[in-house]
Amino acid sequence: DAGITQSPRHKVTETGTPVTLRCHQTENHRYMYWYRQDPGHGLRLIHYSYGVKDTDKGEVSDGYSVSRSKTEDFLLTLESATSSQTSVYFCAIKQGTDNSPLHFGNGTRLTVT
Amino acid sequence: SQQGEEDPQALSIQEGENATMNCSYKTSINNLQWYRQNSGRGLVHLILIRSNEREKHSGRLRVTLDTSKKSSSLLITASRAADTASYFCATDANSGNTPLVFGKGTRLSVIA
Repeated sequence: DAGITQSPRHKVTETGTPVTLRCHQTENHRYMYWYRQDPGHGLRLIHYSYGVKDTDKGEVSDGYSVSRSKTEDFLLTLESATSSQTSVYFCAIKQGTDNSPLHFGNGTRLTVT
Repeated sequence: SQQGEEDPQALSIQEGENATMNCSYKTSINNLQWYRQNSGRGLVHLILIRSNEREKHSGRLRVTLDTSKKSSSLLITASRAADTASYFCATDANSGNTPLVFGKGTRLSVIA
């Protein structure tokens, strides 16, 4: 799986609690992404990073923050989880070259009750 | 908003038949990629076609791209039960390393 690990794989949390999902890569790739996948919506981009401490918002960034303090880790934080954030979250990585593909982790299934 | 839209949403065929999935997109692109997702797993890259290419092959996969119609198709020949998965197209805007935007996917079921 291209040296990319997501943790935890499953999490159940209550509305209003903070949650942090971790994406760890061993490929030294420059780009890292967080997507969420929901029925009827496909994959939607939350945030992405193009280098250490360099991040930008995606299509559905409201309610989420990210941090990348080192190349190998990209953290996604839900400051105060809501039921609408129940989803499967995927991390992906990419080399810096223009036409290189994304490599995905196996996802984190998050349930907010 | 979704850039790519796959068609059909779901497709069921017999083993050995060919499967064709289509993708339409809205804006100019740098390249178009197809990914596969098995149940409970992350997406896996299948094939990339550049905007100046019209057709590309990889094993049993054939991808076409028509930039004038802003559409692409993925053909899987001689399908197998193991091809059962969801297939997504993804595009990037016509400028540098912009993030990929994915469609909603086509769910393919290959019946043995």
